Amino acid sequence: AQSVTQLGSHVSVSEGALVLLRCNYSSSVPPYLFWYVQYPNQGLQLLLKYTSAATLVKGINGFEAEFKKSETSFHLTKPSAHMSDAAEYFCAVRRKDSSYKLIFGSGTRLLVRP
Amino acid sequence: KAGVTQTPRYLIKTRGQQVTLSCSPISGHRSVSWYQQTPGQGLQFLFEYFSETQRNKGNFPGRFSGRQFSNSRSEMNVSTLELGDSALYLCASRRTENTGELFFGEGSRLTVL
Repeated sequence: AQSVTQLGSHVSVSEGALVLLRCNYSSSVPPYLFWYVQYPNQGLQLLLKYTSAATLVKGINGFEAEFKKSETSFHLTKPSAHMSDAAEYFCAVRRKDSSYKLIFGSGTRLLVRP
Repeated sequence: KAGVTQTPRYLIKTRGQQVTLSCSPISGHRSVSWYQQTPGQGLQFLFEYFSETQRNKGNFPGRFSGRQFSNSRSEMNVSTLELGDSALYLCASRRTENTGELFFGEGSRLTVL
């Protein structure tokens, strides 16, 4: 069965510092991988997705993620945190078949200190 | 282009009642999925509809049901509400290609008293 593990329920960084949010997946074959962001009282917004093209994926708002098959990881990074990045981030996985069910990680709340 | 629209945004019910939530997908999207989000269980898949047919169902009791209409709008219903049904219910729609990403609405926040 597929699963997603996000290390760290809370991550705190200073404004301008590197953001690193960790995601590891469990799947027998490389799946599709996604990062979503959720701001308070809002739905989920897609940041980026991996669909077996380039292993380094660039997303919106300066975020990017690298798919590493050997480490079954898909960590999210941003070189310089902005106050507006404070939100909850979810990693998700989906099988490459007709099922469109997303399996989500438990989420990581990013706090940005001024 | 209008996004995914969910109504109502907030509602309060009492135990034993039932509730119906509505979702209008992005124009042209024929697939609609529903997710439940709670602090304890996180985001969990409820079901997916495509062209009025349920394609996939999550591990929820039969009190949770849904349907999709010919215009792709979808409703989900929860009968005999329990306190544990308090959650944010998120609807998402997608295009039909295999890598189609999900576009989420802002959710319907249900409180069961």
